[in-house]
Amino acid sequence: QAVLTQPSSLSASPGASASLTCTLRSGFDVGSYWIYWYQQKPGSPPQYLLRYKSDSDKQQGSGVPSRFSGSTDVSANAGILLISGLQSEDEADYYCMTWHRTSVVFGGGTKLTVL
Amino acid sequence: QVQLVESGGGVVQPGRSLRLSCAASEFTFSGYGMHWVRQAPGKGLEWVAVIWHDGRNKYYADSVKGRFTISRDNSKDTLYLQMNSLRAEDTAVYYCARDPGADGGMDVWGQGTTVTVSS
Repeated sequence: QAVLTQPSSLSASPGASASLTCTLRSGFDVGSYWIYWYQQKPGSPPQYLLRYKSDSDKQQGSGVPSRFSGSTDVSANAGILLISGLQSEDEADYYCMTWHRTSVVFGGGTKLTVL
Repeated sequence: QVQLVESGGGVVQPGRSLRLSCAASEFTFSGYGMHWVRQAPGKGLEWVAVIWHDGRNKYYADSVKGRFTISRDNSKDTLYLQMNSLRAEDTAVYYCARDPGADGGMDVWGQGTTVTVSS
């Protein structure tokens, strides 16, 4: 079982909000890990969006709009990327990431379609 | 502006070697950890390796351990990835990425260089 699991796809309408989840494997407590989020558009490298551990431990990437925000769902043991006021330009692949000991782990990515 | 430029990719036969480079500019290279991350065609991101800012610590994904070596030359503001015993499954776009440390994450990425392992 992968350390970080993301749904493969998600669709949402322009102007709506989208909640992208990143579920941690059992035994990995979401409250103990920084969750990093990246956006990747076709043909381009990933871009850092933000990192989130708690409401008091979070950081927005430089120049990243505030409509991108992070949170956690403790009951689901998941990190969440919330995108509000969806725009067509938000259509992209989104990856979560974390550190585990001395290794970096990526989720499989979620393809967000805005239609 | 802050920039990372990868080079050294190409087509190589299985079992051969290749060395990738990542040239950094417009920031204090020696103050940052650096990663290599790869992406196979149509697939997601896979972390490859990380090196601390001073080069003292290096860590690898299990899939490349013993075959790949990450290194850096802070006097040349350049990161390297020596890839030996290449396999078809190493075919990917290889990105270098900057890590400010202190839980900073990979905040700047290069455009990537493509490695194709094929006979």
